[in-house]
Amino acid sequence: EDQVTQSPEALRLQEGESSSLNCSYTVSGLRGLFWYRQDPGKGPEFLFTLYSAGEEKEKERLKATLTKKESFLHITAPKPEDSATYLCALNQAGTALIFGKGTTLSVSS
Amino acid sequence: GAVVSQHPSRVICKSGTSVKIECRSLDFQATTMFWYRQFPKQSLMLMATSNEGSKATYEQGVEKDKFLINHASLTLSTLTVTSAHPEDSSFYICSASLATSTDTQYFGPGTRLTVL
Repeated sequence: EDQVTQSPEALRLQEGESSSLNCSYTVSGLRGLFWYRQDPGKGPEFLFTLYSAGEEKEKERLKATLTKKESFLHITAPKPEDSATYLCALNQAGTALIFGKGTTLSVSS
Repeated sequence: GAVVSQHPSRVICKSGTSVKIECRSLDFQATTMFWYRQFPKQSLMLMATSNEGSKATYEQGVEKDKFLINHASLTLSTLTVTSAHPEDSSFYICSASLATSTDTQYFGPGTRLTVL
C-alpha cells in the first residue's frame, strides 16, 4: 500500500535556525513527489515537484531533495513568515495525490 | 499563473438544505479537477476526481448521491452537498491539473462549510 509519513509532526525554530523536514514514502511506482505549504484556513500552495532520486529544487529559503525512500525540505535561516504547515504528497498512478499529515512549522523572532 | 478560485469561501446553512461550491481555474484549462475534504488538524482526503464532460470517480466511502459533482467545462467544477447535516461541516478544497499523470495539482483557497 502506498504511504507517506512526515516527521516531525511539529517543529519550533528560532529565526535563522536552519532545519529539515522529512517525508518518507513507499510507492509502487513514483510519478511525482510534491511539497505544498498550507496556511491556516487556506488551500495548499504549490512549492515543488520532484520526479527522480537525486533531484533537487530551490526556492528562496527552501530546498527540496529526493532519494528513493524519502524527501527532505530544507529550510535555511527561516523567518517568522515561513511559519505554516508543510505537506508532502505522492502522485499515484491515475493522478490521485496521497498526502502526509504534514509538519507544522513555527518560527519565532 | 495556475490560479484556482473557489466560491463561496464560507457558508453556513441549516441542516437538510443543499449547498453548491464552485471551483474555477482562472488562467488555464483543467482537464481534471479534484475535490478534497479536510477536518481540523488533519490532512487532505480525496473525495472524488472529475474529468470534463464525464462522470466523477468517487473514493471509497464517499456517497456520490450526497456529494454531487459536475464538471461542465474545462474551467469549472461544482460540488453540491445535498441534504447537509452537521457531520458534513468541514473545509472543502478543490484542485485542478492540466493533464493526467504527473502534472501538478493547483489548489483553490477552500470553502468552510458549517451546517447548523
